[in-house]
Amino acid sequence: AQSVTQPDIHITVSEGASLELRCNYSYGATPYLFWYVQSPGQGLQLLLKYFSGDTLVQGIKGFEAEFKRSQSSFNLRKPSVHWSDAAEYFCAVVLNFGNEKLTFGTGTRLTIIP
Amino acid sequence: NAGVTQTPKFRVLKTGQSMTLLCAQDMNHEYMYWYRQDPGMGLRLIHYSVGEGTTAKGEVPDGYNVSRLKKQNFLLGLESAAPSQTSVYFCASSTTGGLGQPQHFGDGTRLSIL
Repeated sequence: AQSVTQPDIHITVSEGASLELRCNYSYGATPYLFWYVQSPGQGLQLLLKYFSGDTLVQGIKGFEAEFKRSQSSFNLRKPSVHWSDAAEYFCAVVLNFGNEKLTFGTGTRLTIIP
Repeated sequence: NAGVTQTPKFRVLKTGQSMTLLCAQDMNHEYMYWYRQDPGMGLRLIHYSVGEGTTAKGEVPDGYNVSRLKKQNFLLGLESAAPSQTSVYFCASSTTGGLGQPQHFGDGTRLSIL
C-alpha cells in the first residue's frame, strides 16, 4: 500500500544538539515531498518541499532535508536545535496531481531539553 | 493578514446534534481542504474542493458533508454527531499556480462529542 512512514513517534534532543527526523515513503514514482511543523495549539506551517533537482533542500528556521531515491527517504535535519523547535513535525506527499491532496505521516513529536 | 480562519475554535456537542464548521480564506485560493487530526494518526483528508461549486471525497468522508458555495468559504457539516468524530479539524487552502503548491492551514477547531 502507498504510505508515508515516520518511524519515530517521539524524539528528545538537547538544546544545541543536531537533529534528524526520518521519513520514508512507498510509491512507485517519486512524489512531491513536504515537511510541515505544528506548534502546540496551532495549524501546520510549511518548512520545506522537494519536487526535483538538487536532492538537498533548504527550508525555513534553519532546517534542511535530503531526498534519497535509493532509500525512499526524505529526512529532515537541523545542525543545532533551539528550544523553540519543540513541536510536532509531519512529513507529507502529493501524488494525485491536479488536486494537490496531501498524504501525511503520523508525525514525530520533538522535545528539547536544556 | 488573516490567511485561513476557522470558526469556531472550540465546540462541545451531544451525540446526534448537528453543526457546521466554517473555513474562510482571503488569499483567493482555488483549492480548499478539510482534515481531521487524531493522536497517532497524523492528518487525514475528509473532503476537498478544487474550485467554487465543487467538492470531492477524501480518505475519511463518512459522516461529513461539505459545501463550497463561495470561493473563499468551505463549510464542513456534521449532520448527526458521533463520539468517533471527536477530533481536531483543520482547514487548508492552496493556489493552483503550479504543482505542489504549499497548503496554508488554519489554527484548527477542537470538537468534542459527548
